[in-house]
Amino acid sequence: GALVYQYPRRTICKSGTSMRMECQAVGFQATSVAWYRQSPQKTFELIALSTVNSAIKYEQNFTQEKFPISHPNLSFSSMTVLNAYLEDRGLYLCGARRLGGRVYAEQFFGPGTRLTVL
Amino acid sequence: GQQVQQSPTSLVLQEGENAELQCNFSTSLNSMQWFYQRPGGSLISVFYNPSGTKQSGRLTSTTVIKERRSSLHISSSQITDSGTYLCAMGDTGNYKYVFGAGTRLKVIA
Repeated sequence: GALVYQYPRRTICKSGTSMRMECQAVGFQATSVAWYRQSPQKTFELIALSTVNSAIKYEQNFTQEKFPISHPNLSFSSMTVLNAYLEDRGLYLCGARRLGGRVYAEQFFGPGTRLTVL
Repeated sequence: GQQVQQSPTSLVLQEGENAELQCNFSTSLNSMQWFYQRPGGSLISVFYNPSGTKQSGRLTSTTVIKERRSSLHISSSQITDSGTYLCAMGDTGNYKYVFGAGTRLKVIA
C-alpha cells in the first residue's frame, strides 16, 4: 500500500532557531509533494508545492527564505523552518500524489510533525 | 480563489444518534477527501470520494459534483467518533488541496 511517513512526529525548538522535518513516500513514487501547516485553532493551509521537473511554488505569505524545501527524488522531501518563532508552531503535514496515477487521484498524507516553539 | 465551507461548525450528539456533515465548494470539483482528526492528533483519511456514494461501516459519503457539495453521514454515533472532520478539495491539477475549517463533533453518553 501507499504510505507517507513524517519525521519527527513531535519537536520542540527555541525561538529563533531552525528545525528540519522530513517526508518519505513508501510503496509509491510521488510526482508531487505539498507541505501544509495547521496553526492552533485553524485549518490546514498550503505552504508550498513541489512537483517533479518543476520549480517549487510557494503560496502567499510563505517564502523559500523562511521554509526552504528539498525534493531530491520521487520518494523524499524535507522542509526546514528557519528562525522559528511562536507563530510558526503547529502541525506540519506533507501530502503526496502518486506518479503515474490518474490525473485526479487520491492524495496520501503523512501523520504530521508537530512543532512547538519556546 | 477556491473556498471550502463546512457545516455545522460544531455538533454535540447523544451516543447512538446520527450525524450529517456538509461540505460546499466554491468552484468546480475535481477531487475531494474527507479526513478525521483527533484533538491534537494526526490526520486520517476517511474517504476519497470525488463523485457518487461510498460507504464504510457506519460512515457514508455522498458527493454531488453538479451541486458542488459533499456530505458525510455518521450513523449510530459512538463516543470514539468524537473529533474534527475535515473535507478538502483538489484544485484543477489536483496537485494541492484546499481544506475546510472542519466540523468538531462531540458524542456524549
